[in-house]
Amino acid sequence: QQQVKQSPQSLIVQKGGISIINCAYENTAFDYFPWYQQFPGKGPALLIAIRPDVSEKKEGRFTISFNKSAKQFSLHIMDSQPGDSATYFCAASKNTGNQFYFGTGTSLTVIP
Amino acid sequence: GAVVSQHPSRVICKSGTSVKIECRSLDFQATTMFWYRQFPKKSLMLMATSNEGSKATYEQGVEKDKFLINHASLTLSTLTVTSAHPEDSSFYICSARGSGDRYFGAGTRLSVL
Repeated sequence: QQQVKQSPQSLIVQKGGISIINCAYENTAFDYFPWYQQFPGKGPALLIAIRPDVSEKKEGRFTISFNKSAKQFSLHIMDSQPGDSATYFCAASKNTGNQFYFGTGTSLTVIP
Repeated sequence: GAVVSQHPSRVICKSGTSVKIECRSLDFQATTMFWYRQFPKKSLMLMATSNEGSKATYEQGVEKDKFLINHASLTLSTLTVTSAHPEDSSFYICSARGSGDRYFGAGTRLSVL
């Protein structure tokens, strides 16, 4: 059973546009929701993370929106750049020390 | 942020040989490290959870005698792929918790000929 569902599978955005990736989870016990960025041949790098006590977190061009009642969270990349082209994974866990449940990934391509 | 160093980044070996992959937490102590396997264009699949000073906990379907994990210190965990075969070719990634967040190594590309 997929604990975290991620969409879309792939996304193409024009430079300067907004990239939006969505995730939904099942387990209400999850309390940590990170997003990771992965370039080909590299390990995932932590981009931004949120806990359910806030509905939004912003770091530079990256924003997480969190909807606890809907059990959904999303990543917004403002002013998308070609350098943002990568695969993005959402994840969820019951605190950071326990098993992470990853989404299936979204391949983002930002075209100039 | 915290740094997790993984070595080697790429290894090519002959079928039947063993390969050791190291994962180090450089600026923090990691009581728990995680080992993942990732197939092309797929998500990360947890293989095992490694706790310092104790036996690793393997996920269902992962052969513990094939994938030996040792977590000898708070900053080092190793994954040894024993008697590697072509089907073991994959991208292996370690992870550790530091400063409240989880960080990943850069991954090891294993190719078994």
